[in-house]
Amino acid sequence: GQQLNQSPQSMFIQEGEDVSMNCTSSSIFNTWLWYKQDPGEGPVLLIALYKAGELTSNGRLTAQFGITRKDSFLNISASIPSDVGIYFCAGLTTSGTYKYIFGTGTRLKVLA
Amino acid sequence: DTGVSQDPRHKITKRGQNVTFRCDPISEHNRLYWYRQTLGQGPEFLTYFQNEAQLEKSRLLSDRFSAERPKGSFSTLEIQRTEQGDSAMYLCASSLVFERTEAFFGQGTRLTVV
Repeated sequence: GQQLNQSPQSMFIQEGEDVSMNCTSSSIFNTWLWYKQDPGEGPVLLIALYKAGELTSNGRLTAQFGITRKDSFLNISASIPSDVGIYFCAGLTTSGTYKYIFGTGTRLKVLA
Repeated sequence: DTGVSQDPRHKITKRGQNVTFRCDPISEHNRLYWYRQTLGQGPEFLTYFQNEAQLEKSRLLSDRFSAERPKGSFSTLEIQRTEQGDSAMYLCASSLVFERTEAFFGQGTRLTVV
C-alpha cells in the first residue's frame, strides 16, 4: 500500500538533545498528523495540523505543515528517555475519499 | 470520555479458522477506520466507514476479509480461513467528519496465526 517517506529511519540521540524528523509525499494533503507508538500499543496522537504553514506546539514537541502541503516536520526539544518509540506522520487524502496514509516511521532511541 | 476500544487485545488462532474483532469508536465520531500493521511498518489502510456506510476498501482487503458497522456505532472485522500472512496488528481508529478530523486509535488487536 501507499506510504509516505519519513526520515531519518532511526536515530540515537543523547538525553537533552533536540530531535528533528520529516515526512514527505508526492501528493498534497489537507491535514497532517503526528503519532508516537510504543511496542504492542496503538499509535497515540501528538499533534494535528490543518493549514499550510501552520506551526503547532504540544509541550516539547513542535510540528509544521509544509507550505507546499506535501511535507511536514516534527521537532522534539530537550529529549528525555520516555521519548523513545516510533514516530509516524499521517496525511489525510483529499481525492474524494478521507483516509489517512501513514509514513514509514522514525525510530527514536535516547541514550541517558 | 472513553477512547477507542478494541477487543480482544490478542488472538491466537490456527490456520484456516475464522476470527472476528470488535471496535468501539469514540461515541460522537462518525468515521471509523481499520488499519493493519506488520512489524517495522507503518499502519496500512484497510477500509473505512462514515456512519454505517463502508466508503472505501483497500486492495489489501481480500475476499476473506469483511467489515461491518451496523447502525453506525461499533464495527467488526472478520477474517475467514485465516492464513499465516494474516498475522499482524489490526488497528481501529475513529474521527469526526468536519473541522477537527484527527483520528484516534485503539490499542489494537494482535493476531497470530499458527
